[in-house]
Amino acid sequence: QKEVEQNSGPLSVPEGAIASLNCTYSDRGSQSFFWYRQYSGKSPELIMSIYSNGDKEDGRFTAQLNKASQYVSLLIRDSQPSDSATYLCAVKRDNAGNMLTFGGGTRLMVKP
Amino acid sequence: DTGVSQNPRHKITKRGQNVTFRCDPISEHNRLYWYRQTLGQGPEFLTYFQNEAQLEKSRLLSDRFSAERPKGSFSTLEIQRTEQGDSAMYLCASSLGALEQYFGPGTRLTVT
Repeated sequence: QKEVEQNSGPLSVPEGAIASLNCTYSDRGSQSFFWYRQYSGKSPELIMSIYSNGDKEDGRFTAQLNKASQYVSLLIRDSQPSDSATYLCAVKRDNAGNMLTFGGGTRLMVKP
Repeated sequence: DTGVSQNPRHKITKRGQNVTFRCDPISEHNRLYWYRQTLGQGPEFLTYFQNEAQLEKSRLLSDRFSAERPKGSFSTLEIQRTEQGDSAMYLCASSLGALEQYFGPGTRLTVT
């Protein structure tokens, strides 16, 4: 079992719809959770961080964390074609070093 | 405030040659990380520095890999006797303490 799992996709949504991206993790000691966006051929760009259970909103993005279920998700409202990218989920154990453990990413395609 | 910079952006080398990459972190960031990413995968942690001290190394970092951060500012990653399996994107990230990690543009290595 991978430490951080994501559906590789592609997830295809029409422009203006809500895109829902999901991530599960196996290490219950994980304390910090991050979503990065990566365009093809580019490096990861941090878009959201979340540290406590519940929802965190930033513009069109909402991150949701449920530590009991070991589940973190990212919602993108009013999806735009420019949102088409791979979305990487990353987790960190704050009490065991500072490395990020990444999932394989979900490719999102927003169709005009 | 400039972001993380990496040089070179692309490197093509022949098997058996040595290569060195440089990373300049965001100026006030005291932590610097190296990751490696292959096609279709999420980044994998290699090593990290707090100031000039190398505090953590992944099992992925074989004896052919060495990283330094001599003055606690820029860092270099050297790969000796390159192999075709070393072909990947090498990513550098920096953070202020244990806060969010920001990635540079990466160095794409191709070993022929």
